[in-house]
Amino acid sequence: AQSVSQHNHHVILSEAASLELGCNYSYGGTVNLFWYVQYPGQHLQLLLKYFSGDPLVKGIKGFEAEFIKSKFSFNLRKPSVQWSDTAEYFCAVNLNNDMRFGAGTRLTVKP
Amino acid sequence: DTGVSQNPRHKITKRGQNVTFRCDPISEHNRLYWYRQTLGQGPEFLTYFQNEAQLEKSRLLSDRFSAERPKGSFSTLEIQRTEQGDSAMYLCASSLAGVAGGLFYEQYFGPGTRLTVT
Repeated sequence: AQSVSQHNHHVILSEAASLELGCNYSYGGTVNLFWYVQYPGQHLQLLLKYFSGDPLVKGIKGFEAEFIKSKFSFNLRKPSVQWSDTAEYFCAVNLNNDMRFGAGTRLTVKP
Repeated sequence: DTGVSQNPRHKITKRGQNVTFRCDPISEHNRLYWYRQTLGQGPEFLTYFQNEAQLEKSRLLSDRFSAERPKGSFSTLEIQRTEQGDSAMYLCASSLAGVAGGLFYEQYFGPGTRLTVT
């Protein structure tokens, strides 16, 4: 079945630690990839997106993600997290206007 | 604020009642999407419109669910004869339409309507 998998359900880090959140998808063909973030009490916001070209994309707030086609992966990274990065992070794949989301990874950053 | 707005933000209803939610997209966006999100899950696609035309519906959208976008601007999502399993956050998003060749624009989400069916 076509799906988007986020392997980490809940990640707890201390401030300044490095972050990598995994995302794998099972669709073939051309896909557009996104990471959305949902801060506590707020709505979903776009962090970054990949459509084509350079597989390393940079987003807002120091986040970046790398598209590895051979691994069907689009992992999110940040070299040094801050307390304000505490949020839920969703990977999404847009295939023919049908946006499929992963189940989300809750990130807690301890001050 | 020129983002996507949704009303009401919260709705509590008794099982068997009908409810209607409204979504106002970003004004220049011609695509409008509805999603449902339950606790611990990502948003699940329900349906989308391009202008006033409803172009796709998920199998999740049972006969009790209907969505409209009569003038190609705001949209309503109605749930008839609500069931406890309908309790969820209902999200609306809007975007520009993709051009031929597969360029998809990102979707901008509203704050959601939280439905509780008692």
